[in-house]
Amino acid sequence: NAGVTQTPKFRVLKTGQSMTLLCAQDMNHEYMYWYRQDPGMGLRLIHYSVGEGTTAKGEVPDGYNVSRLKKQNFLLGLESAAPSQTSVYFCASSRQTGGTYSNQPQHFGDGTRLSIL
Amino acid sequence: SQKIEQNSEALNIQEGKTATLTCNYTNYSPAYLQWYRQDPGRGPVFLLLIRENEKEKRKERLKVTFDTTLKQSLFHITASQPADSATYLCAPDTGRRALTFGSGTRLQVQP
Repeated sequence: NAGVTQTPKFRVLKTGQSMTLLCAQDMNHEYMYWYRQDPGMGLRLIHYSVGEGTTAKGEVPDGYNVSRLKKQNFLLGLESAAPSQTSVYFCASSRQTGGTYSNQPQHFGDGTRLSIL
Repeated sequence: SQKIEQNSEALNIQEGKTATLTCNYTNYSPAYLQWYRQDPGRGPVFLLLIRENEKEKRKERLKVTFDTTLKQSLFHITASQPADSATYLCAPDTGRRALTFGSGTRLQVQP
C-alpha cells in the first residue's frame, strides 16, 4: 500500500535554478493537491487538480506551475527558485464526491524538504 | 475574511488524562470539519470528519464535537498515551475547492 509517494525527499537548490517535484498516487483518486508548510503558518494550498488534464490555482500559486497529464501523477514545478520558496512541500489526493470537495479525507505523502540558497 | 485558529502553544498533559484541543473559525459556516494528526517529518494523517448536523463523533479514544453556534470544534483524546504526542490540525470546509488547514496544536503527553 504505497498511497501517495513524493520524490525527491530532500533537495537543495541555488536561487534561479529550476526543478520539478513529483507526486504519485495509487488509489485512483480524482483530486490531487500541492501544499507548502512553513513554521507557524500551517498548510497552504498552492495548486490543485480535480481530474486528469485539469489544474487550478490555490492560495499561494505564484512562482509555481503544475501539470496532471496522467491521473496518478501530479507535478509541481519551480521555474526560477527563490529563497522564499524554501519550505516543506506536501502532495495529497482524495476521492471524488458528488458536489463538494471537503467531505472526503485527504491522503498525504511524507513531503519534500526544499532549501533554496 | 475567513479565519481558522488553533492554539499555537503546545499542550502538555500527563499520561492517562484527557487532552482537549480547540479549533475556532470566524466569518463563515463550514458544512464539514476534519481533524488530522501530523508527526515530525511526516505528512498529515486523517483522523475524523464531522458534519455540521452532527454534534459529536467518536472513534476509539477520540471524540470530536462541532458547535456551529460557538463556531468551534473540540478534539478530545481520552486516556492519553505518550504515543499520542503529535501536532493536530483542524480543517474546516471553507466553501473553496480544497481544504483550508489551521496551523495546528502540538500535544505532548508525559509518561
